[in-house]
Amino acid sequence: AQTVTQSQPEMSVQEAETVTLSCTYDTSESNYYLFWYKQPPSRQMILVIRQEAYKQQNATENRFSVNFQKAAKSFSLKISDSQLGDTAMYFCAFMKHVSTSGTYKYIFGTGTRLKVLA
Amino acid sequence: DAGITQSPRHKVTETGTPVTLRCHQTENHRYMYWYRQDPGHGLRLIHYSYGVKDTDKGEVSDGYSVSRSKTEDFLLTLESATSSQTSVYFCAISESNFPQYFGPGTRLLVL
Repeated sequence: AQTVTQSQPEMSVQEAETVTLSCTYDTSESNYYLFWYKQPPSRQMILVIRQEAYKQQNATENRFSVNFQKAAKSFSLKISDSQLGDTAMYFCAFMKHVSTSGTYKYIFGTGTRLKVLA
Repeated sequence: DAGITQSPRHKVTETGTPVTLRCHQTENHRYMYWYRQDPGHGLRLIHYSYGVKDTDKGEVSDGYSVSRSKTEDFLLTLESATSSQTSVYFCAISESNFPQYFGPGTRLLVL
């Protein structure tokens, strides 16, 4: 069974600094997708970044980038130039296609609460 | 933002009463999901749908049922609410291998 582990329940970072959130996962699949979602105090779940497992190049979205290590099954999120608005809960998620049912299965980690300090 | 709404947004109910939560989408996405979010557990899948009248169980489906009679609507029913079902419920939609997009959530309190 697939699992997603976020080992850092809480983190803090000074404004304008860089922070890295860790995520590891366990799967025997070779083709899958990984995501980071942000949940600010409003509780809305917002997609931050997406990575396809077959792509070696790490995904980047403005100040957000990932370090995808497929062999190590690691998918960390780096936030550069942290802003107060980055304060949120961050969830790592794994997705794969289930060929027998034709559906897509998503598994979420338990989240990392990030606080950006002024 | 993806067109996903949930109703009600907040609900307080008593143990033993039935409760129905509604998820409505305007994106015509095939897949719809219901999750619950509890501290320390992240998001856990309750049920999902892969088409009209096509649904299946997730990891925490006991005590919940779903229905999808139209592409745009996915209903979650708690047949007889219990205090352990106090949670925040999220609906999500997706299409093929695209990411899931989430509704705003429903906060349910069962007294």
